[in-house]
Amino acid sequence: QKEVEQDPGPLSVPEGAIVSLNCTYSNSAFQYFMWYRQYSRKGPELLMYTYSSGNKEDGRFTAQVDKSSKYISLFIRDSQPSDSATYLCAMSGIEGNEKLTFGTGTRLTIIP
Amino acid sequence: DSGVTQTPKHLITATGQRVTLRCSPRSGDLSVYWYQQSLDQGLQFLIQYYNGEERAKGNILERFSAQQFPDLHSELNLSSLELGDSALYFCASSRAGTSGRIIDNEQFFGPGTRLTVL
Repeated sequence: QKEVEQDPGPLSVPEGAIVSLNCTYSNSAFQYFMWYRQYSRKGPELLMYTYSSGNKEDGRFTAQVDKSSKYISLFIRDSQPSDSATYLCAMSGIEGNEKLTFGTGTRLTIIP
Repeated sequence: DSGVTQTPKHLITATGQRVTLRCSPRSGDLSVYWYQQSLDQGLQFLIQYYNGEERAKGNILERFSAQQFPDLHSELNLSSLELGDSALYFCASSRAGTSGRIIDNEQFFGPGTRLTVL
């Protein structure tokens, strides 16, 4: 079993819809949770960075962490065609400056 | 632009050869991480250096080695290359200090080096 599970998709939604992306994990040591966006043939771009449980909002993006369920989510409101990319969840341990353990990524397409 | 640079962008070589990938971290970042991204394995951590010293190792093959130089740039050396080593290799950097500030732990990725082994 992988430490981090993420539905690979692909996921297609119409422009303007709310997108929900999720990851589950098994390692209780994970304390820091991130979402990266990766366009084709590009490097991952950090979108959201959260610590422990709770919500964090940044513009159209909201990250949620539920440590009791070992479940994290990324919501994208008012989705745009430019949001079409692969979204990767990532996690690290208590020190924060450790290696990242990634999900496999969800490929998202926003249909105009 | 993350501020992390990697060279070369593309590398095509033959089995058995040796290559060197180079990474320059963001200004002020002390920590460099190397990751491998392949279609079947996703993004996998290889190795981390902090201020010139090896800090952590992942599933890095013995044929692979890395170092971080005094100017903080890093090189990843891949030798005795096999077909299965074909992948995207990413470098990331962070401040990774001891300040305890969350922002210091954020990892920023470079554009990657695409390695093709024929």
